[in-house]
Amino acid sequence: DTEVTQTPKHLVMGMTNKKSLKCEQHMGHRAMYWYKQKAKKPPELMFVYSYEKLSINESVPSRFSPECPNSSLLNLHLHALQPEDSALYLCASSQLGGVGETQYFGPGTRLLVL
Amino acid sequence: KQEVTQIPAALSVPEGENLVLNCSFTDSAIYNLQWFRQDPGKGLTSLLLIQSSQREQTSGRLNASLDKSSGRSTLYIAASQPGDSATYLCAVRFLSGGYQKVTFGTGTKLQVIP
Repeated sequence: DTEVTQTPKHLVMGMTNKKSLKCEQHMGHRAMYWYKQKAKKPPELMFVYSYEKLSINESVPSRFSPECPNSSLLNLHLHALQPEDSALYLCASSQLGGVGETQYFGPGTRLLVL
Repeated sequence: KQEVTQIPAALSVPEGENLVLNCSFTDSAIYNLQWFRQDPGKGLTSLLLIQSSQREQTSGRLNASLDKSSGRSTLYIAASQPGDSATYLCAVRFLSGGYQKVTFGTGTKLQVIP
């Protein structure tokens, strides 16, 4: 099984809402990533978790709060987002988080902030 | 700062043609380079991963080369098919400030015409 799953597929939220994105993999990978992709732009790295610990935060605003409750699951908690946060949010995983590894991507959650 | 550029931004070819996509990066101190395809509104599918010590990788009709010293990679697609139509992204992995970083290229949107 080389699949990374993400839920929900689509999400519409208001600026005062609190919502969460979920990502799951059962490949035994110990590194998981969140990316943000705006329309017609390449993905941009947001966070990296390695062995359930946050190892990289690319200066992401605090209205995005990642959580890695176990090695298979990665959440992204959203609160007080802005319309410019509307984007495709991609989750990925790799075996150990080493620099030589292939990253496997999920299908993404398309987020619209009204 | 690592900048990754892909040329051309868009390409339209008739079915059966061989084609080359280009990826350039400004800092040659990379660990690896990965090629992905992305279908509209979807996640990324990994195609090929080239480690910094390698010169090329092949998978089926795809061949990717890496010239680290000149900061270039190419993705060669043989006998193109309409199903190859997608956006192709390259991504370089490198260390900056002691942390691993990933920077994606700007993408090439490929259309293969039946």
